[in-house]
Amino acid sequence: DAGVTQSPTHLIKTRGQQVTLRCSPISGHKSVSWYQQVLGQGPQFIFQYYEKEERGRGNFPDRFSARQFPNYSSELNVNALLLGDSALYLCASSYSRGRSTEQYFGPGTRLTVT
Amino acid sequence: QKEVEQDPGPLSVPEGAIVSLNCTYSNSAFQYFMWYRQYSRKGPELLMYTYSSGNKEDGRFTAQVDKSSKYISLFIRDSQPSDSATYLCATTSFGGYQKVTFGTGTKLQVIP
Repeated sequence: DAGVTQSPTHLIKTRGQQVTLRCSPISGHKSVSWYQQVLGQGPQFIFQYYEKEERGRGNFPDRFSARQFPNYSSELNVNALLLGDSALYLCASSYSRGRSTEQYFGPGTRLTVT
Repeated sequence: QKEVEQDPGPLSVPEGAIVSLNCTYSNSAFQYFMWYRQYSRKGPELLMYTYSSGNKEDGRFTAQVDKSSKYISLFIRDSQPSDSATYLCATTSFGGYQKVTFGTGTKLQVIP
């Protein structure tokens, strides 16, 4: 069974541009979360979506947005990129909203903003 | 002050040693506690998931949560070189991994 997949693997963008990152959860998982991990830091929670609805949002500006599709895949969009947006963007999927013991991360998309 | 504090290390131990990794947190509403392992250039891997205070054991790994002192620990017995990685503690007030707050991670090196 395939794990969480993310695309692209690496991305280089210029300040002011927009970027879209994609995530496919494990089959059967209905919840997708997005995290930003700056080098040397732990992941920071950006969004969680469950059944296509936003269930949580971290302390990120409105330049960050996301959505979840009927097949539970998800996209993270970042507008007006800043140098500080350079990071590893991680997607994680989990089975349910309850006391789930399953959560799996994808390998991440490494975004470099120049 | 960060909501979750974790010593970044690095921590170097000889193979076979018992490793103790620790975090403190400030929000008493946190009730779900996780430990993740992250190898270089990979996504985190969930190791342990506990609810509220107490101990949980899984193979060579033991997680402890003391809510009274807001202290969480991960013990690794008989450490192996393959355990060399960054270990992240994490916590949330909500079930289902909502709004998870991570520590900065402790880099562990197990020397053969």
